Amino acid sequence: DIQMTQSPSTLSASVGDRVTITCRASQSISTWLAWFQQKPGKAPNLLISQASNLQSGVPSRFSGSASGTEFTLTISGLQPDDFATYYCQQYSLYPFTFGPGTKIDIK
Amino acid sequence: QVQLVESGGGVVQPGRSLRLSCEASGFTFRSYGMHWVRQAPGKGLEWVAVISYDGNNKYYADSVKGRFTVSRDNSKNTLYLQMSSLRAEDTAVYYCAKGGHSSTWLMDSWGQGTLVTVSS
Repeated sequence: DIQMTQSPSTLSASVGDRVTITCRASQSISTWLAWFQQKPGKAPNLLISQASNLQSGVPSRFSGSASGTEFTLTISGLQPDDFATYYCQQYSLYPFTFGPGTKIDIK
Repeated sequence: QVQLVESGGGVVQPGRSLRLSCEASGFTFRSYGMHWVRQAPGKGLEWVAVISYDGNNKYYADSVKGRFTVSRDNSKNTLYLQMSSLRAEDTAVYYCAKGGHSSTWLMDSWGQGTLVTVSS
């Protein structure tokens, strides 16, 4: 199975900050990488597909990039609505594994 | 807009069975693969199963293989997850998710989830 790791596990930040979350795959997944946002008690919401494709309706402050097996999610100018948990997920090969999540909380 | 509504969750004893349903609307259900994903209380996301648009291809996580069966009824726009030999570690919120347009494996829309609690 492809293992996904994320860092950091928790991130304390302030409104307006630029934050970056890193996700690493244990083997090549090309760019078959998605990012999800999840708020407490809610379903995950797809933000980015294929490593860097912003989904319709997702604010442009979110962006994704890839370099080999390392992927990053960047939020440029954190907003109050962005405090949540973020998961990366590979959909290159089944089983389709998720990273353990990164929780962004208020500093 | 895409709507996915799960149902069928509840409290069930270990070893018993339960069937979850996911009713879909707002898109052409028969054209898309569908997934089940679960989340244990306070934990991360775990993919459970996927079924192709026509029901001919199914894949499962090792943790549920042989115990869970995914199926669909395209005439009813409904996805199912038949769960048997349930264990305490199957306790989770179960989400259904729609496969993507360019890739069936991408989960692009999710339901609100249904809670399954396995306890005696």
